[in-house]
Amino acid sequence: QVQLQESGPGLVKPSETLSLTCAVSGYSISSGYYWGWIRQPPGKGLEWIGSIYHSGSTYYNPSLKSRVTISVDTSKNQFSLKLSSVTAADTAVYYCARGGVLSPLVWFDPWGQGTLVTVSS
Amino acid sequence: ETTLTQSPAFMSATPGDKVNISCKASQDIDDDMNWYQQKPGEAAIFIIQEATTLVPGIPPRFSGSGYGTDFTLTINNIESEDAAYYFCLQHDNFPLTFGGGTKVEIK
Repeated sequence: QVQLQESGPGLVKPSETLSLTCAVSGYSISSGYYWGWIRQPPGKGLEWIGSIYHSGSTYYNPSLKSRVTISVDTSKNQFSLKLSSVTAADTAVYYCARGGVLSPLVWFDPWGQGTLVTVSS
Repeated sequence: ETTLTQSPAFMSATPGDKVNISCKASQDIDDDMNWYQQKPGEAAIFIIQEATTLVPGIPPRFSGSGYGTDFTLTINNIESEDAAYYFCLQHDNFPLTFGGGTKVEIK
């Protein structure tokens, strides 16, 4: 059974970089699939941030592309999100999830439980 | 970008009711629509893929319909355990986009 678990600081200061990691268990990332990050600001809908293939190729939401970096570490079986120059608008619950086998244009399943990141000084 | 307009944002149902949740796409997305259920503090559960296919393990009281721009998630004979937040996701084009979500309360 594939499981994903997000981790990282729950509080980030404005203008700094948000960094989160998604640990994957029950499946080896190096075997395939796209892996994605999604977020949900309080009281708002979900927003796709981006996806990465096990080989490292990435797809980002154009609305965040200039500030986002997603990377994969197959040796640790995890992938990571970095979002730079954060503001209060980046306060959200951040989720990681598994995407498609061969294409990033597929549903996500399964998902992690999410982690709340608050941007505040 | 495909905008997904989901309605209603909130609904209250009685056990045994039939519930419909709508997701309308701003452009034709074929059957590239998916539905999820999420309860507070838990991971989202994938319930309907590609508009109409029930994900294995999901109770058959859940069903999906629609094609193109109009999609519906139906819950027949709703149960108390179905109280949750439901949302739709389109994977037809980039960026992947989500509906605004529906909170379903069971009386």
